[in-house]
Amino acid sequence: GESVGLHLPTLSVQEGDNSIINCAYSNSASDYFIWYKQESGKGPQFIIDIRSNMDKRQGQRVTVLLNKTVKHLSLQIAATQPGDSAVYFCAELMDSSYKLIFGSGTRLLVRP
Amino acid sequence: DSGVTQTPKHLITATGQRVTLRCSPRSGDLSVYWYQQSLDQGLQFLIHYYNGEERAKGNILERFSAQQFPDLHSELNLSSLELGDSALYFCASSPDRVRADTQYFGPGTRLTVL
Repeated sequence: GESVGLHLPTLSVQEGDNSIINCAYSNSASDYFIWYKQESGKGPQFIIDIRSNMDKRQGQRVTVLLNKTVKHLSLQIAATQPGDSAVYFCAELMDSSYKLIFGSGTRLLVRP
Repeated sequence: DSGVTQTPKHLITATGQRVTLRCSPRSGDLSVYWYQQSLDQGLQFLIHYYNGEERAKGNILERFSAQQFPDLHSELNLSSLELGDSALYFCASSPDRVRADTQYFGPGTRLTVL
């Protein structure tokens, strides 16, 4: 499949461990944030979202944390599995705009 | 499967040519977005259509154009192609224009310009 960026930062974790992927967003006026997962050869797939009036949101095995003070977003994946191996992108959006601004991505590698 | 379809999956063409990429949004979605993903630039927003009308433009070149048809499918036209236009082109759809909402992505079209 196609590689998504040859020079992405990479996080390598042991299967079963927890993963934390970080993202610094750019616009303090952004009020909606999304994490996407992109597997090789596929389009970005929605994982979880959070609005700026929240600082934490949990999904199934995933948690997103938002720190607006330092414009930082993180994605925590519990009990990481081989199927979690992919590139993860954060994206920010302002309600007044429909342009999703994507971060540069982090490649997650899960060691068996 | 996101429900967004794109054709063709792969496209190989020569410099100077023109191509058309097609996107069908999820059933009921009125908004279509186009993105370009290249190795060195990540995902870049190109253009947004809502119910047939252009709503926002991003980093879209003048050589590129798009439209959304009454049946809500969209086409992205790329002309006078250059080597640097080689990239993955994704479309995404969402149901609403009034509220910022999650965009669901199609599988992409891989364009190679030789």
